[in-house]
Amino acid sequence: GAGVSQSPSNKVTEKGKDVELRCDPISGHTALYWYRQSLGQGLEFLIYFQGNSAPDKSGLPSDRFSAERTGGSVSTLTIQRTQQEDSAVYLCASKGGHEKLFFGSGTQLSVL
Amino acid sequence: AQSVTQLGSHVSVSEGALVLLRCNYSSSVPPYLFWYVQYPNQGLQLLLKYTSAATLVKGINGFEAEFKKSETSFHLTKPSAHMSDAAEYFCAVSGSGNTPLVFGKGTRLSVIA
Repeated sequence: GAGVSQSPSNKVTEKGKDVELRCDPISGHTALYWYRQSLGQGLEFLIYFQGNSAPDKSGLPSDRFSAERTGGSVSTLTIQRTQQEDSAVYLCASKGGHEKLFFGSGTQLSVL
Repeated sequence: AQSVTQLGSHVSVSEGALVLLRCNYSSSVPPYLFWYVQYPNQGLQLLLKYTSAATLVKGINGFEAEFKKSETSFHLTKPSAHMSDAAEYFCAVSGSGNTPLVFGKGTRLSVIA
């Protein structure tokens, strides 16, 4: 596609529910990243996929968070048993080779 | 390991005045340094990046940044602020290749007419 696409753009959920956030990277980009942006906290790295290598999960805040990338393309970030502190904008980015990082517009998650 | 500190969560300048947004980094390897801008309700866009070539890097929209190893700084400047520059600015650092960028907490720039 022309850019990194994320869906949904907004998600409101109740505390305790599971949510899935989707990222479609730019076609051909081998590297895919998930970040979380909270008010006043900047961007927090969550997880990184590079080709067929094992993902770097070092930024995931708890075992309620997981992500997968199917076929080296689309990625899904899953948050189980959501908590109010999970409310944030979740950003996906992709990169091919040594090019710059391209960001999607994010998913605004609100946990009530 | 890398880290970034952005001094000042909010900077306000008059239209036409100098813009200076401060960024200091820490890195155990030669760093790659970036400035990103986020306009209201939009995604992040790359303004400029330093990758060990020239220490003075020119970016889009008249912005530039200078890499100073002795000061571990990568401050962002623009000689004359425009109303359209109002946005959130993020400094970021990474090691080589595709290692994840580490971002600062951001500086919100306001431009006063």
